[in-house]
Amino acid sequence: DQQVKQNSPSLSVQEGRISILNCDYTNSMFDYFLWYKKYPAEGPTFLISISSIKDKNEDGRFTVFLNKSAKHLSLHIVPSQPGDSAVYFCAARANAGGTSYGKLTFGQGTILTVHP
Amino acid sequence: ETGVTQSPTHLIKTRGQQVTLRCSSQSGHNTVSWYQQALGQGPQFIFQYYREEENGRGNFPPRFSGLQFPNYSSELNVNALELDDSALYLCASSFGGAGANVLTFGAGSRLTVL
Repeated sequence: DQQVKQNSPSLSVQEGRISILNCDYTNSMFDYFLWYKKYPAEGPTFLISISSIKDKNEDGRFTVFLNKSAKHLSLHIVPSQPGDSAVYFCAARANAGGTSYGKLTFGQGTILTVHP
Repeated sequence: ETGVTQSPTHLIKTRGQQVTLRCSSQSGHNTVSWYQQALGQGPQFIFQYYREEENGRGNFPPRFSGLQFPNYSSELNVNALELDDSALYLCASSFGGAGANVLTFGAGSRLTVL
């Protein structure tokens, strides 16, 4: 039962262009969504998040869009840089009380490669 | 400000053995969560500790257990190791227990079970 899905295992983009990473979810109880980036031999690092009461959140080159009716979110990186090459994970948190707040449900990840 | 540190970084065990993985939380954080990341998959939630008690658990059997200490560091113990337990084990810390949204992850402990 994969509640968070990233259907593209990999994405290749030219430097300076836009990278769009997609994520779909099935659980209507998810109320907070996050993107994490992971380099080899390092732990995932937080990138950007969005609450379910918003449809867009922007931080520098990174923008996350949330479409609740479609249960879909996307991460846009503009412009893409070679240093952005990493595995990107979409994650979601369900609002089910204090016992669930540490629990994130992750997608399988998308490997982004940005070519110079 | 120190980040989340985990030890050991790599270890090899044989089926049926027991393993203990350790985690030091980021300074100021009082909540610890553990995740298992199998090859090619996203991290899967094992459990969370807040105020030295387990207050959330994923779909993992009881042979996965943990501890949180007064200094907020934590241990993950796995008994009767199985081949499928081979994975990267990630520790994450946060502040606040309930309401903690953003987790700070360590680099992980890679366990190989032969």
